Amino acid sequence: DTGVSQDPRHKITKRGQNVTFRCDPISEHNRLYWYRQTLGQGPEFLTYFQNEAQLEKSRLLSDRFSAERPKGSFSTLEIQRTEQGDSAMYLCASTLQGYTEAFFGQGTRLTVV
Amino acid sequence: QKEVEQNSGPLSVPEGAIASLNCTYSDRGSQSFFWYRQYSGKSPELIMFIYSNGDKEDGRFTAQLNKASQYVSLLIRDSQPSDSATYLCAVNGAADSWGKLQFGAGTQVVVTP
Repeated sequence: DTGVSQDPRHKITKRGQNVTFRCDPISEHNRLYWYRQTLGQGPEFLTYFQNEAQLEKSRLLSDRFSAERPKGSFSTLEIQRTEQGDSAMYLCASTLQGYTEAFFGQGTRLTVV
Repeated sequence: QKEVEQNSGPLSVPEGAIASLNCTYSDRGSQSFFWYRQYSGKSPELIMFIYSNGDKEDGRFTAQLNKASQYVSLLIRDSQPSDSATYLCAVNGAADSWGKLQFGAGTQVVVTP
């Protein structure tokens, strides 16, 4: 499978715990994007990387959120001290040089109980 | 005020009929416009993109763009039950970043046999 891959697909965690999600983009894509989608809403942009550089962060990305792409390949999104409001689908997408369509992964559904 | 507006639906369409979906956006500097389809519990998949005023056709789908009116639409001809999904309109403001998108909340389409 050469598409965007996300892991895990589902995560249930207790409030206050830390969680980490992983995204593997399409191999030749140098740009990687994170989005969050809540029920009944469209995806909301969180942050994006070009290679290993994080170029932009949305104000939605509070201090509890951190994203990395250490070698310009896979990326991780960590949420510290999770809150019930963090429950959402976290989507990853990738593009080549920013000029191709964004391909989305299957998403990680987070439930904070 | 939301920057990308769509009617939430549901839009009920008889099988074989034309489904018409509308989207308005607030940023006049928007460069490219995308329609994504999202099945329940799945990630968005790109149907079409358009960046010039006028119509663009791809199979049963036609996207229409009117930048002066800040309006983009999607027509689905010969609607099939498999077209039942949520359709997300997305707008990109940066010429070099098709992956950084602002999404509407989506219009749910239900095709009835």
